[in-house]
Parts: sequence; C-alpha cells; structure tokens
Amino acid sequence: GESVGLHLPTLSVQEGDNSIINCAYSNSASDYFIWYKQESGKGPQFIIDIRSNMDKRQGQRVTVLLNKTVKHLSLQIAATQPGDSAVYFCAENTGFQKLVFGTGTRLLVSP
Amino acid sequence: DSGVTQTPKHLITATGQRVTLRCSPRSGDLSVYWYQQSLDQGLQFLIQYYNGEERAKGNILERFSAQQFPDLHSELNLSSLELGDSALYFCASSEGLPSYEQYFGPGTRLTVT
Repeated sequence: GESVGLHLPTLSVQEGDNSIINCAYSNSASDYFIWYKQESGKGPQFIIDIRSNMDKRQGQRVTVLLNKTVKHLSLQIAATQPGDSAVYFCAENTGFQKLVFGTGTRLLVSP
Repeated sequence: DSGVTQTPKHLITATGQRVTLRCSPRSGDLSVYWYQQSLDQGLQFLIQYYNGEERAKGNILERFSAQQFPDLHSELNLSSLELGDSALYFCASSEGLPSYEQYFGPGTRLTVT
C-alpha cells in the first residue's frame, strides 16, 4: 500500500541534515494543525500538533512553526535519519470537526 | 501500531458491486472517521461518527454510506462501484470531539476492475 503520489513535491536530504517541510493552509479560521507522517504501506501517523494561539511547538527532534499572517506551517526535523523517509502531510482543523489534509511532501533521506 | 484495526487489508471486486469495509477504533475512542486516499486526490475526509451518530460529512458520494454500531466499530459501505473508487480507505479514531489527534488504521486497499 503505497501512499499518495504521482506528483508529490520531494525533499531529498543527507542523513544528519536538518529538514524543513512547508505547508500552506487554506482557512484562516482553522484553529488547530497537525503534521502526519505516512510510511509506505501504512496509515498516517501523528507527529506533532499546534493550536492557532501558538507560533511554535517542539517535540522530540521535531519543531512546528505556524505563521498565521501568511497561513503557513512548517515542520523542522533535526538530524534527519533514514527512518524519517516518508510522505509528510499537514492537516488543518477547519472548525467543522473534520481535518483537511495538504497534498503531502515526500522526504527522502540518503545515508 | 495505532490500535485501530481495519479489515480486509485488500479487496478486489468488479464494477457495479458492493463492498463493506470494517473498522474497530482504539479502545475508549468514541469518534471514528473515514478517509479516501487516491493517487490524484490525496487524503480526502469522507465522514465522521461520534458515539453512534453522524457528526460531519465531507466529500462522500451518495453511493457510499457508513454507520457506527453500539460497540463503536464502524462500517463503510460502497455500492455501484466504479473504477474511480479504487483507492486506499483509512479509518481513524479519536477520543472525542473535536477531531484532535486522530489515530489512523492501516487502511483497506480497494481495487475495482
């Protein structure tokens, strides 16, 4: 079960580098944002979330930045590892009890 | 392992047929969500149930329906299948409302021939 994607943007990095994956969201009223990781053959896996009243949140090796002015979200992965290779999706809670997912970015990490 | 289970893992059927996909949420989760993931559409929200009641609808076709049972498992019924319905169908669950931190199952791959 491969995940989405004939035409996904792809980010290629070397192991140990920092990765930055970007996402533009659509609804200025969205109050909650999530980053998901989807490995080949698996369902999306929750990585980190952020509420709209914050502009930064840190997890283990990951940081999410939110810029509401330009409706932009980014996921930073520190010291990227081969196991980080996957498709990454941002999702926004539009306030109607449903998540709207972005198109995804494929991250390729080479040793 | 997210704790969400889906059956079957793969399903191959012909156009015009009807299939049922099954989902068991994580223990204690009351909300169940269904998503369709296809190559040209990405991950699309279909429908959400909370404790047996429909709570939100997304891009779900009239040929598709779902329900959540008293034991909280959910079924997605797809009828009059078309080639374009071939996709991965994911179920996700969360503790409650709103749709924070959803946990996804492994998906069912549907192939319509």
